[in-house]
Amino acid sequence: DTAVSQTPKYLVTQMGNDKSIKCEQNLGHDTMYWYKQDSKKFLKIMFSYNNKELIINETVPNRFSPKSPDKAHLNLHINSLELGDSAVYFCASTRLAGGTGELFFGEGSRLTVL
Amino acid sequence: AQSVTQPDIHITVSEGASLELRCNYSYGATPYLFWYVQTPGQGLQLLLKYFSGDTLVQGIKGFEAEFKRSQSSFNLRKPSVHWSDAAEYFCAVAPASGSARQLTFGSGTQLTVLP
Repeated sequence: DTAVSQTPKYLVTQMGNDKSIKCEQNLGHDTMYWYKQDSKKFLKIMFSYNNKELIINETVPNRFSPKSPDKAHLNLHINSLELGDSAVYFCASTRLAGGTGELFFGEGSRLTVL
Repeated sequence: AQSVTQPDIHITVSEGASLELRCNYSYGATPYLFWYVQTPGQGLQLLLKYFSGDTLVQGIKGFEAEFKRSQSSFNLRKPSVHWSDAAEYFCAVAPASGSARQLTFGSGTQLTVLP
């Protein structure tokens, strides 16, 4: 039973399109994150939600809009895709309140923009 | 702001040899420190973490790391590398307190293991 699952794992699309990536965790965690890994493997945080409230919002274009319908889900919607959006997007979760500080990661969603 | 430096982009070792991956951090206080491993096409798996106490921490797969406050380092070690250890290794730092527990990652070290 996968702890943090992301869909889709692979996504190939044209510039200008809109796409979404979904993430679900079954660990009972209260906090979820989106990280972006670029072609040089650098991991950079994008967003974080705690109990459905946005707590981290790094310098990310407005074309990226996260949405957390409940504590177990954090989705990422991207409008007007650009070539530079090509990357692997990782979802992660943790328990902030009384937790160990460890982030649990999904397997990533590789987005390719043509 | 916190930051992490992994000075070695790529390391090659022979199977059975010892390994040390370097990690230096910059943070105003003692942070939480982590090492994660990423294998091709996979997510990131936690190898070990340091919060407080004993500065030598043991992790999974035979890895250990030592926190040295004076050097702001948290180097990862393994006495005998296996071919299956070939992967990308990331050091990460997070504030010990605060509302977000944001992880900041280093740029990673790619490990190649020769037969």
